[in-house]
Amino acid sequence: DGGITQSPKYLFRKEGQNVTLSCEQNLNHDAMYWYRQDPGQGLRLIYYSQIVNDFQKGDIAEGYSVSREKKESFPLTVTSAQKNPTAFYLCASSPQVGSVLTFGAGSRLTVL
Amino acid sequence: EDQVTQSPEALRLQEGESSSLNCSYTVSGLRGLFWYRQDPGKGPEFLFTLYSAGEEKEKERLKATLTKKESFLHITAPKPEDSATYLCAVPINQAGTALIFGKGTTLSVSS
Repeated sequence: DGGITQSPKYLFRKEGQNVTLSCEQNLNHDAMYWYRQDPGQGLRLIYYSQIVNDFQKGDIAEGYSVSREKKESFPLTVTSAQKNPTAFYLCASSPQVGSVLTFGAGSRLTVL
Repeated sequence: EDQVTQSPEALRLQEGESSSLNCSYTVSGLRGLFWYRQDPGKGPEFLFTLYSAGEEKEKERLKATLTKKESFLHITAPKPEDSATYLCAVPINQAGTALIFGKGTTLSVSS
């Protein structure tokens, strides 16, 4: 079955550590996205990528970095510069930018 | 300012008790409106896309409608398995790269 795989599902991090969240899709979608979800707030866009080796900042990119070396993969690194990283992170993809999003199951990051 | 507001924040229904969820938006030039369903601890799942005022779409017990200022998600004779958080989202740029999501309505249906 085609879909999006995010790992790990749960991650604990000490303050000052960088962590990388994995996102892999086998839907042959061109566009990929990272969203952050906090309780009581709407999803907020961190980064998106329309094609390989290209990505754009979203609304809350500070303290995050991404890469898009392969069409299938769009990992997100949460750096120590992100002041409040505890959140639920969602990866999504779409055939092209602007079309319906398919989401992964999410990764929950907790900073201890 | 572009905004998407969902109401109510939470809704409790008895099984079989029909109701509606609201998504109101203020964007310049609607380029579509998306409804998603999200179960606890999971990613959102696509339900509907609406593009023009007057458009309606149905899926099982759900029916989505769109006016120039808001969208409704009508739930007819809900079942406990319809319990979830329902999100709406609106693109705010031509390319559709920027989506504003509402905060969602959490629906609980008890038997």
